[in-house]
Amino acid sequence: ETGVTQTPRHLVMGMTNKKSLKCEQHLGHNAMYWYKQSAKKPLELMFVYSLEERVENNSVPSRFSPECPNSSHLFLHLHTLQPEDSALYLCASSQGRTSGANVLTFGAGSRLTVL
Amino acid sequence: DQQVKQNSPSLSVQEGRISILNCDYTNSMFDYFLWYKKYPAEGPTFLISISSIKDKNEDGRFTVFLNKSAKHLSLHIVPSQPGDSAVYFCAASTEDSNYQLIWGAGTKLIIKP
Repeated sequence: ETGVTQTPRHLVMGMTNKKSLKCEQHLGHNAMYWYKQSAKKPLELMFVYSLEERVENNSVPSRFSPECPNSSHLFLHLHTLQPEDSALYLCASSQGRTSGANVLTFGAGSRLTVL
Repeated sequence: DQQVKQNSPSLSVQEGRISILNCDYTNSMFDYFLWYKKYPAEGPTFLISISSIKDKNEDGRFTVFLNKSAKHLSLHIVPSQPGDSAVYFCAASTEDSNYQLIWGAGTKLIIKP
């Protein structure tokens, strides 16, 4: 496996379910991100972990709960979601801050549908 | 209020011609600008970047131009190829923005054979 891997690629869940999205990076990066992409909207940064410590939390509802057990793995735990949470959830990693040439490497995304 | 705007949701260009994708921003404090490309069912991939101290950066068929006085940047693709058909995102950051990138909503580029 190379790059950033996300599972599952597609997820359908009811509003009362609990599920998790998983991300794994094989690049030796020290920062990992969760982004939300809704149709025709800019990417929204949800959470950032640097060296397993959460450094950004952009006013995300508590029904989304991130977990970073080590620098290679990132989870997004989902519970009691709303239909408006249906979106593409993208995981990314970087060597450090996103200033300058420090670019993000993205996974293919997890398409979430909340019924 | 969106700080980074891509006003064209889509753009159609003939193969072999020049594609010009535009991006406007409102925050004069942005230090770096990046372009990402996204194919369906894949994550965005980094394409090219430019620092605010430059007005042009070139990488093969891709050139980004920055006009700081107009708060405008553009991505030129010459010549356009069918494989360039994708959604292109403009993003910006400041030196002290930690991990934040401010994204545009994207422009879908369609290259016609």
